[in-house]
Amino acid sequence: KAGVTQTPRYLIKTRGQQVTLSCSPISGHRSVSWYQQTPGQGLQFLFEYFSETQRNKGNFPGRFSGRQFSNSRSEMNVSTLELGDSALYLCASTRQGYNEQFFGPGTRLTVL
Amino acid sequence: AQTVTQSQPEMSVQEAETVTLSCTYDTSESDYYLFWYKQPPSRQMILVIRQEAYKQQNATENRFSVNFQKAAKSFSLKISDSQLGDAAMYFCAYVETSYDKVIFGPGTSLSVIP
Repeated sequence: KAGVTQTPRYLIKTRGQQVTLSCSPISGHRSVSWYQQTPGQGLQFLFEYFSETQRNKGNFPGRFSGRQFSNSRSEMNVSTLELGDSALYLCASTRQGYNEQFFGPGTRLTVL
Repeated sequence: AQTVTQSQPEMSVQEAETVTLSCTYDTSESDYYLFWYKQPPSRQMILVIRQEAYKQQNATENRFSVNFQKAAKSFSLKISDSQLGDAAMYFCAYVETSYDKVIFGPGTSLSVIP
């Protein structure tokens, strides 16, 4: 069974631009969560989607948004990029009834 | 709010020796899950071991085992016969059974000395 995939793996943007990251969960997993990882703040929860609905949301500004499609694939969008948005963005999928998360390889975003 | 604390930012262990990584958490819930994740330099997060709070028996996975002390809200990871491939950042994580949001600790960087 294929693992969680994330595209692109690396991204370089400039301040003020917007970016969309994609995550494809493991087949059969309907929950997708997004995390931001930085050296200073560690792993921080962004949001979680289940069956196309946002179930949980972390403490991030409205510039961070996401969505989930009917095939469980998820995208997250960051608008008006700031230098502090430079981070590794991790996506994880969960099988319903099992609370362990399976992570993708991440997307490394650099904002110049 | 739930919090997870890992008091050891860095640890080192000699190859073939045993090391224990500490984790404490704070919650008012009685039913939850605890996990240890490993993140090697490749940045791929890998699940090492999981523990259900309702189970008194400590989880084990080959060379990895935990010491789960529910009353003390402590969840330490013991790595036996350490190998060079064990070098990584280790994250302790907490999740309630009713939610899929995972709360991670700050991590412990483990070095393995040949």
